[in-house]
Amino acid sequence: SQQGEEDPQALSIQEGENATMNCSYKTSINNLQWYRQNSGRGLVHLILIRSNEREKHSGRLRVTLDTSKKSSSLLITASRAADTASYFCATGTSGNTPLVFGKGTRLSVIA
Amino acid sequence: DTAVSQTPKYLVTQMGNDKSIKCEQNLGHDTMYWYKQDSKKFLKIMFSYNNKELIINETVPNRFSPKSPDKAHLNLHINSLELGDSAVYFCASSHSTSGWYNEQFFGPGTRLTVL
Repeated sequence: SQQGEEDPQALSIQEGENATMNCSYKTSINNLQWYRQNSGRGLVHLILIRSNEREKHSGRLRVTLDTSKKSSSLLITASRAADTASYFCATGTSGNTPLVFGKGTRLSVIA
Repeated sequence: DTAVSQTPKYLVTQMGNDKSIKCEQNLGHDTMYWYKQDSKKFLKIMFSYNNKELIINETVPNRFSPKSPDKAHLNLHINSLELGDSAVYFCASSHSTSGWYNEQFFGPGTRLTVL
């Protein structure tokens, strides 16, 4: 069953602005991961946040996790045209249960 | 250096045919996966192999048969192709069976079109 749901489905911003994408999920998780997919390419891992963490940074990326609300957000600061891509959240639970991906947010950064 | 590679990149074939997609990773990972991404970009796990052994087999028609000759390779054979099999198929790999806790590295995808 589908776990992560990204919001919004599509986002269009000007270069230099910040972009925020949200992910909600339904069941308890072990970790939540964000991936980027450029058009016609495979997914690239961006950041992983564990269930006992609340915030994580990587360069211009900031991810937060609120397990009480079962939600996560991905913030991209000072966006660039090269950030144009689809962004997916994926939730991991325990054992051999596979990662479950959301449908993604399509981000367009206009130069 | 390509980390996870897939061949072919594009595959166009007629309904009823049998086709294979190959995947290789040079990252030294011991877990590999096949995903299917539909036209709405929804990505769903199909299979997972660890050290050449099947550990995850989601609800996938038995027309799909994965084969792992060694840890670095996971091929996908599809029999009697149907229109609904048209999608992009991604191979991925990660360290260990707890790959769900680790980042996964994806191949570039194979776009399969069934006519």
